[in-house]
Amino acid sequence: QKEVEQNSGPLSVPEGAIASLNCTYSDRGSQSFFWYRQYSGKSPELIMFIYSNGDKEDGRFTAQLNKASQYVSLLIRDSQPSDSATYLCAVSPGGYQKVTFGIGTKLQVIP
Amino acid sequence: GAVVSQHPSRVICKSGTSVKIECRSLDFQATTMFWYRQFPKQSLMLMATSNEGSKATYEQGVEKDKFLINHASLTLSTLTVTSAHPEDSSFYICSAPAGGRTGELFFGEGSRLTVL
Repeated sequence: QKEVEQNSGPLSVPEGAIASLNCTYSDRGSQSFFWYRQYSGKSPELIMFIYSNGDKEDGRFTAQLNKASQYVSLLIRDSQPSDSATYLCAVSPGGYQKVTFGIGTKLQVIP
Repeated sequence: GAVVSQHPSRVICKSGTSVKIECRSLDFQATTMFWYRQFPKQSLMLMATSNEGSKATYEQGVEKDKFLINHASLTLSTLTVTSAHPEDSSFYICSAPAGGRTGELFFGEGSRLTVL
């Protein structure tokens, strides 16, 4: 069983629509949850992190966490072509312990 | 600006040679750094945890004699791929913890290794 599971996509959405990206994880001891964006040939960059159940909003991005269901999601409102990238879900026990990444979901925003 | 600098960004080498990749933390000290490898269309896979002043901790299946890690100072960790083979061609990325309870990582720019 993979520790962090994501649908690899591609997920195609029209410009201006909401993109919904999902992730499940297996380790119930996970405390920190991250969404990273990775453009082709580049290293990942942090979009959002979340620790507590519920929603966390930052601009056009909303992260949702449900620890009981071991489920994390990322919503991108008003999707733009520049949002086209691979979105990596990552989980960690926290602190200086290792971070485990999912395979990433490739998002394509169609102009 | 970047808080973790990685060099070189691209390297091409012949099979059998060794390649060194440097990872530096800028304006902060990193007692721990993580080395990841990413093959095309795959996830980042943790190779090893680099610890300043002590031996690196390798993940299962990663050959420690092939992937030499040195963390000699609080701002520099190096990964040396020894006797490189074409199957070692990959994107190698270092990272350093942001600190605190978060687990957030600062990533280097990555190094694209191509072994001919």
